[in-house]
Amino acid sequence: AQKVTQAQTEISVVEKEDVTLDCVYETRDTTYYLFWYKQPPSGELVFLIRRNSFDEQNEISGRYSWNFQKSTSSFNFTITASQVVDSAVYFCALSENRDDKIIFGKGTRLHILP
Amino acid sequence: EAGVVQSPRYKIIEKKQPVAFWCNPISGHNTLYWYRQNLGQGPELLIRYENEEAVDDSQLPKDRFSAERLKGVDSTLKIQPAELGDSAVYLCASSAWSGANVLTFGAGSRLTVL
Repeated sequence: AQKVTQAQTEISVVEKEDVTLDCVYETRDTTYYLFWYKQPPSGELVFLIRRNSFDEQNEISGRYSWNFQKSTSSFNFTITASQVVDSAVYFCALSENRDDKIIFGKGTRLHILP
Repeated sequence: EAGVVQSPRYKIIEKKQPVAFWCNPISGHNTLYWYRQNLGQGPELLIRYENEEAVDDSQLPKDRFSAERLKGVDSTLKIQPAELGDSAVYLCASSAWSGANVLTFGAGSRLTVL
């Protein structure tokens, strides 16, 4: 069965520090998709990134970067030079090709302290 | 372009009362999802629609929950009767098609059952 584990429940860092959010997934499919979503205090989940299982290239978007490693079933998210506006709950999610069901991890609450 | 619209944003009811939530997805999005998010948890899928057809309702507690998407556009999720454990945020999301496409979420409807 598919499963997403975000072991870090809550993280606090001081502004401008780098921070990495961990995501470990389980799936029996060879074709699957991984996602990260951000949920700010307003409550609306915002899409950040999608990767398919065949593309292990790391991705960088501004201060955000993602490290996908199939060997360890991980899809970690790093924020460089964090800012207070990055404070939110971040969810990792997985979708298997067999049923298109998207399941979410429990989320990591990130506090960026000024 | 309007995003996913949900109403009401907040609802407080006594247990055993009925409640209904409404969702209007992004225009042209054929796939609509209802998720439930308990406090401190990730969203959990309740039901997924492809147009007006419920293609995955395996996680919907059918004894008290019902949903409809009659014309394949907006959708209603109903709980009758509500129980204390139903207190949660009910999130609606839509995508152009299923198959690991990107979900756009609404702001959610926060239900408190007293």
